[in-house]
Amino acid sequence: DGGITQSPKYLFRKEGQNVTLSCEQNLNHDAMYWYRQDPGQGLRLIYYSQIVNDFQKGDIAEGYSVSREKKESFPLTVTSAQKNPTAFYLCASSPQPTGGFGYTFGSGTRLTVV
Amino acid sequence: KNEVEQSPQNLTAQEGEFITINCSYSVGISALHWLQQHPGGGIVSLFMLSSGKKKHGRLIATINIQEKHSSLHITASHPRDSAVYICAGNMDSNYQLIWGAGTKLIIKP
Repeated sequence: DGGITQSPKYLFRKEGQNVTLSCEQNLNHDAMYWYRQDPGQGLRLIYYSQIVNDFQKGDIAEGYSVSREKKESFPLTVTSAQKNPTAFYLCASSPQPTGGFGYTFGSGTRLTVV
Repeated sequence: KNEVEQSPQNLTAQEGEFITINCSYSVGISALHWLQQHPGGGIVSLFMLSSGKKKHGRLIATINIQEKHSSLHITASHPRDSAVYICAGNMDSNYQLIWGAGTKLIIKP
C-alpha cells in the first residue's frame, strides 16, 4: 500500500546535537511538507518542497534544514540552533503543490531533547 | 485570533453518547481535513471534504463552505474513540494547510 513512512516514532537527543528525521513516500507525490506541533497549538509549517531539488521556508524554519534530492524522500534536520526542539513532527505529501487533491500524512515523530 | 478555531478544546463524555466537534475558519478554503491523533502522537486522516457530508462507520463529517464551518460527529461513542481530533483547511490563496489546535476527546466506559 502507498503511504508515508516516518521514522523513528520516538527520538531522544542530547542538547546541542543535530538530529535528522526521516520521511519517505511511495505515492509519487510532487509536494512534501514538514510540520511541528506544540501542546495546545495548531501544527505549523516548517519547510515544504514542491519539486525535487527545491524547497521553501515555512513559518518557523529557523533552526531546521531540509533536502529534497529524491522525489520520495524529504528528511528534516533539527539543528543545535533550534532553541526548543522538543515537539511532535509531522510529514505530509500532496500530488500537486496546490494540495488540491488532498494530503497524505505520516504518523509523526516525537522528538525529546534530554 | 486563529484562522481556524475548534470547539470545544476538551470534551469528556460517557460511552454511547453522540459527539459533536466543531471547526470554524475565517479564511477561504477549498477543502477541509479531519484527522485523529491518538496518545503517543500517531496521526490518521479521517476525512477530506469540500462540500456536503461524508460518512465512515460511526464517523460523520459535514461542511458548509459559505458559513465557513465544519463538524465532526461520532455516533455511539466508545472509549477507543478517545483521541485528539484536528481540523485543517486547504487555503484558497496559497493552497497551504491551516490547522486547528485540536479537540481532546475522552470517552468514559
